[in-house]
Amino acid sequence: GESVGLHLPTLSVQEGDNSIINCAYSNSASDYFIWYKQESGKGPQFIIDIRSNMDKRQGQRVTVLLNKTVKHLSLQIAATQPGDSAVYFCAENEPGTYKYIFGTGTRLKVLA
Amino acid sequence: EPEVTQTPSHQVTQMGQEVILRCVPISNHLYFYWYRQILGQKVEFLVSFYNNEISEKSEIFDDQFSVERPDGSNFTLKIRSTKLEDSAMYFCASSAGRSGNTIYFGEGSWLTVV
Repeated sequence: GESVGLHLPTLSVQEGDNSIINCAYSNSASDYFIWYKQESGKGPQFIIDIRSNMDKRQGQRVTVLLNKTVKHLSLQIAATQPGDSAVYFCAENEPGTYKYIFGTGTRLKVLA
Repeated sequence: EPEVTQTPSHQVTQMGQEVILRCVPISNHLYFYWYRQILGQKVEFLVSFYNNEISEKSEIFDDQFSVERPDGSNFTLKIRSTKLEDSAMYFCASSAGRSGNTIYFGEGSWLTVV
């Protein structure tokens, strides 16, 4: 069954459109960030990461943007596919610590 | 592709019972973690483990919890006397390095305390 929440913000996009998922992180000292995808009943799956010395990083069909001024991350998915439907979390790593702090998540629904 | 594996995938236990959740981290990784996710909530850090000792733990990780690496491949989380509020998905994770390294998660163990 669903492993993540009933009250997540939801983004609905048409198949083939681009998706933009946003995240506000909490600590201005955080220097490493990861976007994870979580499908129902599964563990978080690594999508893409970015370090604080970068503003943008591109992967296959995904781009992460980092705005340190306003502590904001975004994940852009190009040509969204049905298989992209999931909950997306950003996670921040505070320097000198072992833990990652996860955001609340956004549910992406891809409409056929 | 190497992956973190967890057992059991789902366990139902009575309140007050002990539970052990098992994990096999990625083989060349040195840092191990437990996170949990209560239904409808965020993924929360519990504990990190390196060089056979706890390196960091959260306030959630109280005396009821313990971790162990009993051999060269397994990493376990024990909950000594489960409470209803321990019901959650527990994720094991591992990484090659400390901060600034990607952590890879297992599929989770769903614990239901009744």
